[in-house]
Amino acid sequence: AQSVTQLDSHVSVSEGTPVLLRCNYSSSYSPSLFWYVQHPNKGLQLLLKYTSAATLVKGINGFEAEFKKSETSFHLTKPSAHMSDAAEYFCVVTSNNAGNMLTFGGGTRLMVKP
Amino acid sequence: NAGVTQTPKFQVLKTGQSMTLQCAQDMNHEYMSWYRQDPGMGLRLIHYSVGAGITDQGEVPNGYNVSRSTTEDFPLRLLSAAPSQTSVYFCASSTWGRRYNYGYTFGSGTRLTVV
Repeated sequence: AQSVTQLDSHVSVSEGTPVLLRCNYSSSYSPSLFWYVQHPNKGLQLLLKYTSAATLVKGINGFEAEFKKSETSFHLTKPSAHMSDAAEYFCVVTSNNAGNMLTFGGGTRLMVKP
Repeated sequence: NAGVTQTPKFQVLKTGQSMTLQCAQDMNHEYMSWYRQDPGMGLRLIHYSVGAGITDQGEVPNGYNVSRSTTEDFPLRLLSAAPSQTSVYFCASSTWGRRYNYGYTFGSGTRLTVV
């Protein structure tokens, strides 16, 4: 079985300050982990993915995430928030033994204040 | 541009009507799947396919049928629409390496309202 917990349903930051969106996962086998972003009334866009031994993963738009196996975490960070980052973010896990099933976290809505 | 194409983008159905949501991808991905997104419940898997001719049920399959006659297409059929099927539907495709998944590409979604 696999599961994902996004620890914050809402995060509010000021423009130019750091962003931290937290994600914990559980998976019986080697997981593939992703962060997706969804802007209002839009589809899901892949921000970054963990699929190898490199634990620090860099994605688009200045986002990065660190895979910490000992803590079963995959937190998403960005040094400086931009207004255009306001959206909903999903942490997602899958693995070879889970067939084709993606397991989504509940989502974190990021608000960016001017 | 390569990607996943969903049609229609919007649809209103009356209770009891049937319809098919179309999904096509041009990336030669073997895996395709359908999700529904509801407020407060995230995305839930309806059906998926690991290749042409092979389909299986996901978390919430009742009221939906799928088939996969080609690698490119994966239509989702609503047999008799119910208000509980009002949702946003996303199709996704993917491919796997030996151990890891390379990431899922999602379509832009179909917003379905059943009245």
